[in-house]
Amino acid sequence: GAVVSQHPSRVICKSGTSVKIECRSLDFQATTMFWYRQFPKQSLMLMATSNEGSKATYEQGVEKDKFLINHASLTLSTLTVTSAHPEDSSFYICSAREGSGHQPQHFGDGTRLSIL
Amino acid sequence: GNSVTQMEGPVTLSEEAFLTINCTYTATGYPSLFWYVQYPGEGLQLLLKATKADDKGSNKGFEATYRKETTSFHLEKGSVQVSDSAVYFCALPPQGGSEKLVFGKGTKLTVNP
Repeated sequence: GAVVSQHPSRVICKSGTSVKIECRSLDFQATTMFWYRQFPKQSLMLMATSNEGSKATYEQGVEKDKFLINHASLTLSTLTVTSAHPEDSSFYICSAREGSGHQPQHFGDGTRLSIL
Repeated sequence: GNSVTQMEGPVTLSEEAFLTINCTYTATGYPSLFWYVQYPGEGLQLLLKATKADDKGSNKGFEATYRKETTSFHLEKGSVQVSDSAVYFCALPPQGGSEKLVFGKGTKLTVNP
């Protein structure tokens, strides 16, 4: 149980393109979803937290106009990297949690984004 | 605030060796404790968890015991396999109104045949 599907797994695109990444909880309702960015050989950096039907809460230093998050239902959240540039190239991982903060987060398999 | 201190890697072992990855934490009260594993090129998977003092979480041959007296949650496996090569993260759930999962820095394990 507790499966989170993230799609696509890999994206390569030109600078200036906008890229959408989807995160779905397949067998549970995700009260809260999270988006992380991971740099090589480092731990995960939380970008934003979203609750279904409300605006995402962004961490300090994360541009909300650059990284658009939509959490339209209890099973789907999307991250759109707008007008992507090479410095946005990274590994993006979503997670989803059912219930309160004492419950574990369940992670997707990540999206490798490469901007040329 | 809450924090997790995790043994720094990398750790390199031969197959069938014994593994210990140390994790200690600082937190208010007695939170749940988690170990996550990240295989190369993938996201994180919940490996095991413990929800109260003296609980032992176990999965895939890995174990960790919640020790409140030493504020520790060390990960152990009696006989590692090549397929256990991954990065392991100790983590605390969010506290005090924050939604942030508190991760350790991760320990990279390489198991050689």
